[in-house]
Amino acid sequence: DAKTTQPTSMDCAEGRAANLPCNHSTISGNEYVYWYRQIHSQGPQYIIHGLKNNETNEMASLIITEDRKSSTLILPHATLRDTAVYYCIVRVVTGNQFYFGTGTSLTVIP
Amino acid sequence: ETGVTQSPTHLIKTRGQQVTLRCSSQSGHNTVSWYQQALGQGPQFIFQYYREEENGRGNFPPRFSGLQFPNYSSELNVNALELDDSALYLCASSPGDRGRNEQYFGPGTRLTVT
Repeated sequence: DAKTTQPTSMDCAEGRAANLPCNHSTISGNEYVYWYRQIHSQGPQYIIHGLKNNETNEMASLIITEDRKSSTLILPHATLRDTAVYYCIVRVVTGNQFYFGTGTSLTVIP
Repeated sequence: ETGVTQSPTHLIKTRGQQVTLRCSSQSGHNTVSWYQQALGQGPQFIFQYYREEENGRGNFPPRFSGLQFPNYSSELNVNALELDDSALYLCASSPGDRGRNEQYFGPGTRLTVT
């Protein structure tokens, strides 16, 4: 599975959009981009995933560049409860495991 | 809430002892994966079970073993506990074929080895 690079930490003002970047320059054509988040000492929570096209659900939007070498997770209106560690993961569609890095620690500031 | 439950919540064991952790998967999910998360690190894949058979294993020694039952619940067993085994142990379940879909995590079991 391709490796991902994320900033160690980010801050975002409450009510503003949080844009979390992820680089995955070695991604292959059969690899999906997944995003999970983990609130302190809880189990990781699935957010969204995509292959080529941009995706949106009730939690977030995922923007994948045309060359698929990077992506951005967008939380449209960040709340204090969005403070968490966000993991960007690239996974082979036939793979059976997720490779978590150290993620981005997002702090939403009042 | 993902519908994945784990027990116990917390556990303290002594070095050299054995421990069994339990996981109940979400209804309809036939695949269970186990992860170890040390403090300050991302989760590390231990192994996965699909329909009661091991379906992939990470870089963990044989003293980490598991089982999956006909109702798709699962156990993680760790023998000869070491201090470095202290971690949050996470179970994740997923539907469909061999966990190729998104995985839903339980709250974890915090194991402390003294």
